[in-house]
Amino acid sequence: DSGVTQTPKHLITATGQRVTLRCSPRSGDLSVYWYQQSLDQGLQFLIQYYNGEERAKGNILERFSAQQFPDLHSELNLSSLELGDSALYFCASSPTSGGVDTQYFGPGTRLTVL
Amino acid sequence: AQKITQTQPGMFVQEKEAVTLDCTYDTSDPSYGLFWYKQPSSGEMIFLIYQGSYDQQNATEGRYSLNFQKARKSANLVISASQLGDSAMYFCAMREVGRSNDYKLSFGAGTTVTVRA
Repeated sequence: DSGVTQTPKHLITATGQRVTLRCSPRSGDLSVYWYQQSLDQGLQFLIQYYNGEERAKGNILERFSAQQFPDLHSELNLSSLELGDSALYFCASSPTSGGVDTQYFGPGTRLTVL
Repeated sequence: AQKITQTQPGMFVQEKEAVTLDCTYDTSDPSYGLFWYKQPSSGEMIFLIYQGSYDQQNATEGRYSLNFQKARKSANLVISASQLGDSAMYFCAMREVGRSNDYKLSFGAGTTVTVRA
């Protein structure tokens, strides 16, 4: 158990819908990262938050947004869902925003868009 | 450009034997970290081992060791005394620290390891 929690574990929804994925980082970790794992793209970095502020953006679509709350949990919002958004979404956390901190991953949320 | 290359899509290994998973990387950043993660069929990503670019010695963690050859830009994972529970997908990842403004992990495509009894 990495100490990072993600809910829900599975999510099945329809095209055009909006969903919210939730992540709680390990105790004491200030950075949260979101990654998407799909069969065709592999593991891709989406976005990073550090202590409530956006720190870095990767290959995140405009339909996707995220935020980190004062209690440091984070939410990833996916809207106008398409079939291609079906993937495993991971949240990871690390103590700080930089250096070579190890990122510990949550169990992931498997999103299926029908 | 691909930053992490894992050329072995799948490997078979006999139980109790050692297996080496290849990883090469591409960066001009002098400061970086290399990581290996394990993803069993259940889907979670488990951190295994870390090597910093300035580390003089190869990293070891239990049955895992990292064969770091900086000049060749390779960071191969060695799993000794394989167990059935080692059957999983293994990912090599890199985090550039010196010049990059973000600290994302760049992942390779992964290598599937199947341990045979």
